Amino acid sequence: GAGVSQSPSNKVTEKGKDVELRCDPISGHTALYWYRQRLGQGLEFLIYFQGNSAPDKSGLPSDRFSAERTGESVSTLTIQRTQQEDSAVYLCASSLASRAGDTQYFGPGTRLTVL
Amino acid sequence: AQSVTQLDSQVPVFEEAPVELRCNYSSSVSVYLFWYVQYPNQGLQLLLKYLSGSTLVKGINGFEAEFNKSQTSFHLRKPSVHISDTAEYFCAVKPISGGGADGLTFGKGTHLIIQP
Repeated sequence: GAGVSQSPSNKVTEKGKDVELRCDPISGHTALYWYRQRLGQGLEFLIYFQGNSAPDKSGLPSDRFSAERTGESVSTLTIQRTQQEDSAVYLCASSLASRAGDTQYFGPGTRLTVL
Repeated sequence: AQSVTQLDSQVPVFEEAPVELRCNYSSSVSVYLFWYVQYPNQGLQLLLKYLSGSTLVKGINGFEAEFNKSQTSFHLRKPSVHISDTAEYFCAVKPISGGGADGLTFGKGTHLIIQP
């Protein structure tokens, strides 16, 4: 079956512009996660959705970052007024449920470059 | 809070030789442990995970890992590597309690380089 998909695969933007990153989870997966991978760093957890609810947004790096999810489907991560330090690969993952041991399936990521 | 340390950023190994990728973690609560692999130009894929039971866990592609609670380690091993194992390997942990809210905490990754 289809895996997690993300779009765009690459995004180059100018500092100060807003960007929107999209994630399509595996059909039927109720839990959805966003991570960020900066060059030379491990993956950094940003936010988690159970259904369309995000119980804890404290992992978002700044108030320029926001995320939403429509039902148990598509999620978008929006970065306003982008800065060069936002350059990274943004990864989305989904899991069947939100139990701690559930496997998270990752998408291919969106590589964001802020000039 | 949790942290994961992967002691080697890069490990070169000859083809058909054994390999061990080291992972140590720190956590004030009990955690589940995971190893993910990222092949060139591909997304992360689960290799194996430890939830409970036998501390020796077998995964895909001939990999296995052993959970050592006293040493807070979860080292990944393969008895004989192939060129196709060239990839980035990530160790991760997740608190047992808290459901999905905590996300995975990853190490910085180990680049496994297989030399012919």
